[in-house]
Amino acid sequence: EAQVTQNPRYLITVTGKKLTVTCSQNMNHEYMSWYRQDPGLGLRQIYYSMNVEVTDKGDVPEGYKVSRKEKRNFPLILESPSPNQTSLYFCASSLSRTGDTGELFFGEGSRLTVL
Amino acid sequence: GENVEQHPSTLSVQEGDSAVIKCTYSDSASNYFPWYKQELGKRPQLIIDIRSNVGEKKDQRIAVTLNKTAKHFSLHITETQPEDSAVYFCAANSGYSTLTFGKGTMLLVSP
Repeated sequence: EAQVTQNPRYLITVTGKKLTVTCSQNMNHEYMSWYRQDPGLGLRQIYYSMNVEVTDKGDVPEGYKVSRKEKRNFPLILESPSPNQTSLYFCASSLSRTGDTGELFFGEGSRLTVL
Repeated sequence: GENVEQHPSTLSVQEGDSAVIKCTYSDSASNYFPWYKQELGKRPQLIIDIRSNVGEKKDQRIAVTLNKTAKHFSLHITETQPEDSAVYFCAANSGYSTLTFGKGTMLLVSP
């Protein structure tokens, strides 16, 4: 089954404790992206990647890192989480190499709470 | 960069009525406009999209219209059903490799 898998789905952590949210897709998509969803603010892009070893900042990259060492994986790293990073995070991938002219396939979401 | 405004933020209709959600965009170079539906607790999923060389597109009870001159596009849902209740997001591409989303519309369909 074609899918985007994120882990963990739910996480409560404390300020400053490094964490990684993993994302994996099995559709051989070149484009992958991370979004955060906050009430009243919609979906905002954090980082995206058009290929292995190629990553770029989205609209809200501060406090986040990503890596793309393999085509299927695109982890989101919070080196020193802060309470303002409490949010619902979605990973997505796309058939469109540039990610802006084709369907985005979203993972199930990861709800992160930073205390 | 692109700015996408979406209205209304909430919309309540009776089952069987029509619902219209409107979006405006700022970048005249945008040429792809998708709509995503997010049911409660679920992931966003594409329901329909339109490209700038087309003025209207239909898929059963859902239609999207695009006015490039005015830089706005709309989602029309006819004969609404309770299962249409969800948050709907419009989006527009901008520059390269970026989709900018609107803030979302919560649609509530009452039986």
